[in-house]
Parts: sequence; structure tokens; C-alpha cells
Amino acid sequence: GAGVSQSPRYKVAKRGQDVALRCDPISGHVSLFWYQQALGQGPEFLTYFQNEAQLDKSGLPSDRFFAERPEGSVSTLKIQRTQQEDSAVYLCASSLPVRETQYFGPGTRLLVL
Amino acid sequence: GENVEQHPSTLSVQEGDSAVIKCTYSDSASNYFPWYKQELGKGPQLIIDIRSNVGEKKDQRIAVTLNKTAKHFSLHITETQPEDSAVYFCAASIIQGAQKLVFGQGTRLTINP
Repeated sequence: GAGVSQSPRYKVAKRGQDVALRCDPISGHVSLFWYQQALGQGPEFLTYFQNEAQLDKSGLPSDRFFAERPEGSVSTLKIQRTQQEDSAVYLCASSLPVRETQYFGPGTRLLVL
Repeated sequence: GENVEQHPSTLSVQEGDSAVIKCTYSDSASNYFPWYKQELGKGPQLIIDIRSNVGEKKDQRIAVTLNKTAKHFSLHITETQPEDSAVYFCAASIIQGAQKLVFGQGTRLTINP
């Protein structure tokens, strides 16, 4: 079946611009995670949803980062007033209820100039 | 919070030889340990996982071992093939807890023909 999809795959933004990154989880997966992966590093947790509820946002690096999942399926990660340090790959993962296996999408590569 | 250390950062082996990647974790409450393979431009792909009630798990050429006392877990790949070349990440999490994955820094594995 279809896996996790993310769009856009690549995004170039000028410093100060706002960006929105989209994640379509696997159908039926109630848990959704966002991770940030800097070049040459492992993914780092940003935030977690169970259905539409954002249960953990402890990894969001600043109040410029905001995530939502209003209908419990598609999620959007928004970054306001982008900075060069925001340049990274943003990964989305989803999992079944009460299952620990997380399936990752291909990521969105964000470059802030 | 949890901290995962992964070694080595790069590993080069001859085709047909075995490769071993090691990780340590800090939080004794962690009870789920997946391994992901990431190819260039793609998201992490789960290759094998182990739960803390099991000491070893094998899937064809891939095996994972876990030492809870020492807080170590390792990935073993036997009879390596060129297509095994990729970056490998270990991770740890707490089932039915925070659920977020804490990743190691990654190991770039190169299989030389």
C-alpha cells in the first residue's frame, strides 16, 4: 500500500519567509511524528500527534515552529520567519495505534538562504 | 532524557564479510530498539527491531543483540553485499510511553566489491 508521503520534497526559502511542510501518513495510522535531520546527523524529535491531539511538542526548537493535524490525518509543520539554522531535512513518520513501529516518509529538504 | 551513542561513524568492509555496529543507551526505561537504513535522498527504512524482553533477533542476514544490563545493542550484517551500503541508525524508545525515537548519530557503511 501507499507509504508516508511528504510535500514538497525540496523547498528553498529566503531568510525571514514562512514555510509550510505537509505530511500524509499511512491510512489508519493514528500516531504521527515530525523529526528534524541536520546534515550528517540522526533525526531529532520535534513533535507527536495522536489523532488530532498534539501530545508532545517538547522538541520544537522555538516558537517559530508550529505543527497541526486538525482532522487527525494530514499534518502540516509550519516554520515562521525562517533562519539559516532551520536548513535541514524534515521527516514525518506514522504508526498504528498501540504499535511502536514508525514508518518514515522521504522527507522535505529545506534550504534557507 | 534518553541519549543514544553509536559507533563507529564510518565502516568499510569487503563484500562478503560481516559488519557490526554498536549502540549504547542511557535510559533504563527504554524497551524498544529499532534499526533504520537510510539511502541518499530517502527517508529511514526500518530493517529490524528488538524489544527488551528478547536478547537476540535474526532476519536472514541481519541480526540484532541486546544487553539490557550493559545498555548495549548491536546490529550484525553477515555476507555483506554492495546494496548494503547506506547510513544505518539505531534508536531507542519507550513502548506506550513517550513513543518518540531517540536516534544515534549514524554509521556510514561502505561495502567494497
